[in-house]
Amino acid sequence: GQQLNQSPQSMFIQEGEDVSMNCTSSSIFNTWLWYKQEPGEGPVLLIALYKAGELTSNGRLTAQFGITRKDSFLNISASIPSDVGIYFCAGYSSASKIIFGSGTRLSIRP
Amino acid sequence: DTEVTQTPKHLVMGMTNKKSLKCEQHMGHRAMYWYKQKAKKPPELMFVYSYEKLSINESVPSRFSPECPNSSLLNLHLHALQPEDSALYLCASSQAGGPYGYTFGSGTRLTVV
Repeated sequence: GQQLNQSPQSMFIQEGEDVSMNCTSSSIFNTWLWYKQEPGEGPVLLIALYKAGELTSNGRLTAQFGITRKDSFLNISASIPSDVGIYFCAGYSSASKIIFGSGTRLSIRP
Repeated sequence: DTEVTQTPKHLVMGMTNKKSLKCEQHMGHRAMYWYKQKAKKPPELMFVYSYEKLSINESVPSRFSPECPNSSLLNLHLHALQPEDSALYLCASSQAGGPYGYTFGSGTRLTVV
């Protein structure tokens, strides 16, 4: 079946650093979604990408839909403590299904 | 209203109990979903309803029984669960036919004892 490879699995960052994470797939997706999940809560949609090559920003977050439609990345600039959480990429192809990546756990280095 | 509301937030049930999880949205979405999420794992799709009809069942055991009584409500009926069914159960909704507005609720933390 379709799988998304998300990397890195975890990151320790210092406040103020830029962060980058990505997802790759062997299959083509029509839509890429990026979610953030905090403990005890459901995933919250950060950015949705609907077109190959699309680059979209949401505040300090920027995401791109790869031109091959098989990958996407998310950048966070000037990280702050509230950025801590698990970030999931998700790809939508058809049949009302979205496939999630395994997640990137973001922590602040003390 | 841009929220998906799930109740209860926490549920502890015995293996012989019958309980129900509830999900409600008022965004006019015609697709609704149930997901199961274990600790440190991504959500796994269980069921998809499209226009109040079950369109996808991801080979979920029959002890989980979904119900969509109207376009705003989605229930998950639970009976004879096992301890390994303990997880965060998430409801989501979207516009039918696509991922537009794909929004999750906060989930129900279920513990089976």
